[in-house]
Amino acid sequence: EVVLTQSPGTLSLSPGERATLSCRASQSVSSSYLAWYQQRPGQAPRLLIYGASSRATGIPDRFSGSGSGTDFTLTISRLEPEDFAVYYCQQYGSSWTFGQGTKVEIK
Amino acid sequence: QVQLVESGGGVVQPGRSLRLSCAASGFTFSRYGMHWVRQPPGKGLEWVAVIWFDGSNIFYADSVKGRFTISRDNSKNTLYLQMNSLRAEDTAMYYCAAGLAAPHDYWGQGTLVTVSS
Repeated sequence: EVVLTQSPGTLSLSPGERATLSCRASQSVSSSYLAWYQQRPGQAPRLLIYGASSRATGIPDRFSGSGSGTDFTLTISRLEPEDFAVYYCQQYGSSWTFGQGTKVEIK
Repeated sequence: QVQLVESGGGVVQPGRSLRLSCAASGFTFSRYGMHWVRQPPGKGLEWVAVIWFDGSNIFYADSVKGRFTISRDNSKNTLYLQMNSLRAEDTAMYYCAAGLAAPHDYWGQGTLVTVSS
């Protein structure tokens, strides 16, 4: 099983700042089958990024994904108030597994 | 617009069964792989099961294999999850999700399953 480890567990930032979230896999993720999801309190998750770097429909360009192999990054260039949420990475190259999540909170 | 509406959740005793449904609309259901994902209260996401767009392939998480059965009826645009031999650790919000470009392009709002005596 591919284990995904997200860091940090919690990120405390102010609106307008840049957020950098990490997702590390226990083995190489084939074909960059790596997605990122956002979950706001009380809501279902929402797809942000798939294929490691492709933005889903309707996702603002302040969200970007990068990486390959075992190391992946989600970057939010300038945090908006609605971006404070929990973010999950998921690999789908070998079965399907999620990371444990990173909470982005207001500093 | 795309809608996924789960139903069938509730409180059930350990060892009993429950069947969840997910009604889809606003997209071509028969073209999408369909997943169940669950989230225990206050915890992270856990992938549960997937069924290919045509039902030709089905896979389960080890934690539910042999107890849960995923199925779909493309004529009714509906996904199902039959859950047998339920345990306390199955308590969670259960989401259905549709995938084409990614595993979960679209998500429902979830249905809560509580396993308790």
